[in-house]
Amino acid sequence: DQQVKQNSPSLSVQEGRISILNCDYTNSMFDYFLWYKKYPAEGPTFLISISSIKDKNEDGRFTVFLNKSAKHLSLHIVPSQPGDSAVYFCAAPGDSNYQLIWGAGTKLIIKP
Amino acid sequence: NAGVTQTPKFRVLKTGQSMTLLCAQDMNHEYMYWYRQDPGMGLRLIHYSVGEGTTAKGEVPDGYNVSRLKKQNFLLGLESAAPSQTSVYFCASSYAGGGTEAFFGQGTRLTVV
Repeated sequence: DQQVKQNSPSLSVQEGRISILNCDYTNSMFDYFLWYKKYPAEGPTFLISISSIKDKNEDGRFTVFLNKSAKHLSLHIVPSQPGDSAVYFCAAPGDSNYQLIWGAGTKLIIKP
Repeated sequence: NAGVTQTPKFRVLKTGQSMTLLCAQDMNHEYMYWYRQDPGMGLRLIHYSVGEGTTAKGEVPDGYNVSRLKKQNFLLGLESAAPSQTSVYFCASSYAGGGTEAFFGQGTRLTVV
């Protein structure tokens, strides 16, 4: 039972346009969410996070939106750049507070 | 500042062989983790440690053992490798648990034939 779901395995976006990556979760107890970015042959790197007390968090070109009633969050990248081509994971702390529950990831391809 | 370093980067094992993956971090983090990543799946936690001398099981611990004899090192052992353990393994560390930002190594691609 996947508690964190990223239903789009891949997404292709034109350079300069907005990229929207989606993530759904099933556990209403989740109160914090993180996005990580991963390039090939590298480990994931932290990108941005959001607490459940907020519905939006912005960091430069990256904004994460949280809709608690829908159990849905999204990562917006504006404008998209070639260097944004990577796999993006959303994750949430599990019950043990030591474990992150990860989505399967979405591969973002930015077309020139 | 090296961050988190994993060795080796690649390894091919025969079924039944054993091996140890080494993870070293230089950020003085208390928490360390071993994950595996398989195609179409998110990272799954194998074992973790909340401090020197401590280890605990994660989501998929069977067939693996770990040790944290020194704060900066976290070792992952495969006792008797199986093809199902073919995966990419990531080590990570963080200064606290849960939603604290974790820093990852570059990964170890292991193939068991």
